[in-house]
Amino acid sequence: DSGVTQTPKHLITATGQRVTLRCSPRSGDLSVYWYQQSLDQGLQFLIQYYNGEERAKGNILERFSAQQFPDLHSELNLSSLELGDSALYFCASSLWTAPQETQYFGPGTRLLVL
Amino acid sequence: GNSVTQMEGPVTLSEEAFLTINCTYTATGYPSLFWYVQYPGEGLQLLLKATKADDKGSNKGFEATYRKETTSFHLEKGSVQVSDSAVYFCAPRYSGGGADGLTFGKGTHLIIQP
Repeated sequence: DSGVTQTPKHLITATGQRVTLRCSPRSGDLSVYWYQQSLDQGLQFLIQYYNGEERAKGNILERFSAQQFPDLHSELNLSSLELGDSALYFCASSLWTAPQETQYFGPGTRLLVL
Repeated sequence: GNSVTQMEGPVTLSEEAFLTINCTYTATGYPSLFWYVQYPGEGLQLLLKATKADDKGSNKGFEATYRKETTSFHLEKGSVQVSDSAVYFCAPRYSGGGADGLTFGKGTHLIIQP
């Protein structure tokens, strides 16, 4: 158990809909990262937040957005969903932002868009 | 952009065989290097890491050495077990330029037969 929790575990929705994925980082960690794992694209970094502020962006679509709240939990919002958004979404956390820090991954949310 | 190349597999070995999974990365800056493992149905776990040239990371009998001159971080284990069957990801972490997440390889699916 990494200490990172994600809800829900599974989500099934329809094209055009909007969903919110939630992540609680390990106790004391200030950084949260979101990743997408799909058969087509593999594992891709989406976005990072540090202590409530956006820190870095990866391959995140404009239809997707995220935020980190004062209690440090984070939410990833996916809107106007398409079939190709079906994937496993992972959240990870680390204490700060240094490149040598280990990122601890949650169990993931599996999204299926029908 | 930054990238990492690793053998995709599946790689099938017999128990107690010697394992090497090759990983090479683009030499932009001076990344920290990580190997993560994903067991079936689970999230990613850190296997080992190295943060500077010639560092050797090791864990659970696995080893990898940060080779700056060849931009490589090959994973090795002297005697694999059935329980090592999983997908292994090489992941450099580059910092700066607005992208601070891990850059993942496509993953190597390892199957160990008794």
